[in-house]
Amino acid sequence: DVKVTQSSRYLVKRTGEKVFLECVQDMDHENMFWYRQDPGLGLRLIYFSYDVKMKEKGDIPEGYSVSREKKERFSLILESASTNQTSMYLCASMGSGIRVEQFFGPGTRLTVL
Amino acid sequence: AQTVTQSQPEMSVQEAETVTLSCTYDTSENNYYLFWYKQPPSRQMILVIRQEAYKQQNATENRFSVNFQKAAKSFSLKISDSQLGDTAMYFCAFMKHKKVVGSQGNLIFGKGTKLSVKP
Repeated sequence: DVKVTQSSRYLVKRTGEKVFLECVQDMDHENMFWYRQDPGLGLRLIYFSYDVKMKEKGDIPEGYSVSREKKERFSLILESASTNQTSMYLCASMGSGIRVEQFFGPGTRLTVL
Repeated sequence: AQTVTQSQPEMSVQEAETVTLSCTYDTSENNYYLFWYKQPPSRQMILVIRQEAYKQQNATENRFSVNFQKAAKSFSLKISDSQLGDTAMYFCAFMKHKKVVGSQGNLIFGKGTKLSVKP
């Protein structure tokens, strides 16, 4: 079974801090994604990556950056956390073969005070 | 741009009954995938069912089935014999068919329907 793990389930940070959210998948998937989930808004794509060192902006990239130095790891970075970035962050991965399905991690609930 | 609309923010159903969740989408694409994902309370998002747009036959997975109406751009989920474990947020999602590197597999989600199964 595909396993997608995220470094923390809950995280509390202060305004202005630099925050790193880590995601690791164990299925050699080429594609990895970061979403933000807010009540009443569903999931919105922040960034995605289709290969090592490759990244593309999603729908809401402002205030975020990403890093993909290794195939299995995709990091989301909040350069200077703000209270409006308090949210649930979900990572997902997907292969490039015939099985079209994104596999999700358990999520990180980030609170910025 | 593609959009996905789930018009029912919350629904409830009695155990063992059948419930249908609605989803409509807007796209100019001809080839695409549609999904229903389930997110139980405090648990991981998992795929319930997938439909390829080029397939006319509606997908089924055990108690879960879809009614895919391509011309109407409608993709509803029917849950038969509802169980307490079906209580969850359900998200409808759209993905364009993969074409070129760099446009791989972005999901566009609806806002979700919170389903409660009552004993």
